[in-house]
Amino acid sequence: GAGVSQSPRYKVAKRGQDVALRCDPISGHVSLFWYQQALGQGPEFLTYFQNEAQLDKSGLPSDRFFAERPEGSVSTLKIQRTQQEDSAVYLCATIRGLGNQPQHFGDGTRLSIL
Amino acid sequence: AQTVTQSQPEMSVQEAETVTLSCTYDTSESDYYLFWYKQPPSRQMILVIRQEAYKQQNATENRFSVNFQKAAKSFSLKISDSQLGDAAMYFCAYRTFPNFGNEKLTFGTGTRLTIIP
Repeated sequence: GAGVSQSPRYKVAKRGQDVALRCDPISGHVSLFWYQQALGQGPEFLTYFQNEAQLDKSGLPSDRFFAERPEGSVSTLKIQRTQQEDSAVYLCATIRGLGNQPQHFGDGTRLSIL
Repeated sequence: AQTVTQSQPEMSVQEAETVTLSCTYDTSESDYYLFWYKQPPSRQMILVIRQEAYKQQNATENRFSVNFQKAAKSFSLKISDSQLGDAAMYFCAYRTFPNFGNEKLTFGTGTRLTIIP
């Protein structure tokens, strides 16, 4: 596609429910990043994929957070047993290749946990 | 670990005037990239300007320019001839020099820019 596409745009869930957030990268983009942006804050790194390989997951806040990119294209961020502190905007960004390339961001998913 | 600090939570400027947004950072690395991103209410992060640390010349993109002071670890953004469409959150970000697998961005907390007609 022309840009990074994220769905859903908004997600409301009750505390304790599981949620899945989707990121469709720009076609051919090798690198994919997930960021978490709390209200009034800057985005914080969660995890990074190079094709289907998850090379860095140091930013995932707990073992309730899980990300995958099985075929090196679409990625899913899953949050199990959601808690109120998980409420945030989740941004996906992709890079065409490696090295000196700008990150292209999607519009994000705003997750609200009630 | 690298940190990025934006000490101005909010700024405002009259339309057509010039405004400067501040950013400082902390790193032990000698090679890196610095960025300014714009985030309108649509939430999409839009790259405004980029600076490579090994370049002494300050980057410019039309009405946007930076003042990069490597020794002081300062990276300010100047917006000239401010326009209503410039209203947004502005984030300063740091990225380590590419080493094929470590291009994550570290962001500041942002500055909300308001343009006064």
